[in-house]
Amino acid sequence: AQSVTQPDIHITVSEGASLELRCNYSYGATPYLFWYVQSPGQGLQLLLKYFSGDTLVQGIKGFEAEFKRSQSSFNLRKPSVHWSDAAEYFCAVGDSNYQLIWGAGTKLIIKP
Amino acid sequence: DTAVSQTPKYLVTQMGNDKSIKCEQNLGHDTMYWYKQDSKKFLKIMFSYNNKELIINETVPNRFSPKSPDKAHLNLHINSLELGDSAVYFCASSLGEGTGELFFGEGSRLTVL
Repeated sequence: AQSVTQPDIHITVSEGASLELRCNYSYGATPYLFWYVQSPGQGLQLLLKYFSGDTLVQGIKGFEAEFKRSQSSFNLRKPSVHWSDAAEYFCAVGDSNYQLIWGAGTKLIIKP
Repeated sequence: DTAVSQTPKYLVTQMGNDKSIKCEQNLGHDTMYWYKQDSKKFLKIMFSYNNKELIINETVPNRFSPKSPDKAHLNLHINSLELGDSAVYFCASSLGEGTGELFFGEGSRLTVL
């Protein structure tokens, strides 16, 4: 069955430090992959997506993600986090019926 | 101008009541969705409409009834509310069915007492 795993329920990072949020997926074909961010009290916003081509994709707010087929991963990175990055981050994979399968989310906490 | 707007933002009601949540998008998108987010932040799709026609109807109780009067609106009506219906309900839209690029509203927090 198709699934998305975000192994970390929450991660704490100091402001200015680098960030990597993990996402692993289980999907038979070439996946469409997404990262969304949910700020407190807000809806979700698309950060970036991978459909095909270059496996390193750039997104908004200085985020990037790398698709690694051999590891079935699509980890999100940012070189230097800001306090405003504190939020819930969701990884998702699009299946053959164009439905999104969502991970459980990772809460990012920023230490001053 | 808010792209996807939902009303109301908060609802507090008693078990057994009926309530509705309205959603409107001004993006010109063809596809709209309702998602439920539980207290653990888990997201579950409930319904999807494409050009006013139902295309996804996940396993939700038939107390939940969506209605799309036009492609810019997708409302959610819930009958006989139960405690387990307490959640945040998100409306979203996308240009088409297969893009995966969803635009979300800010959510409607439903609390059933």
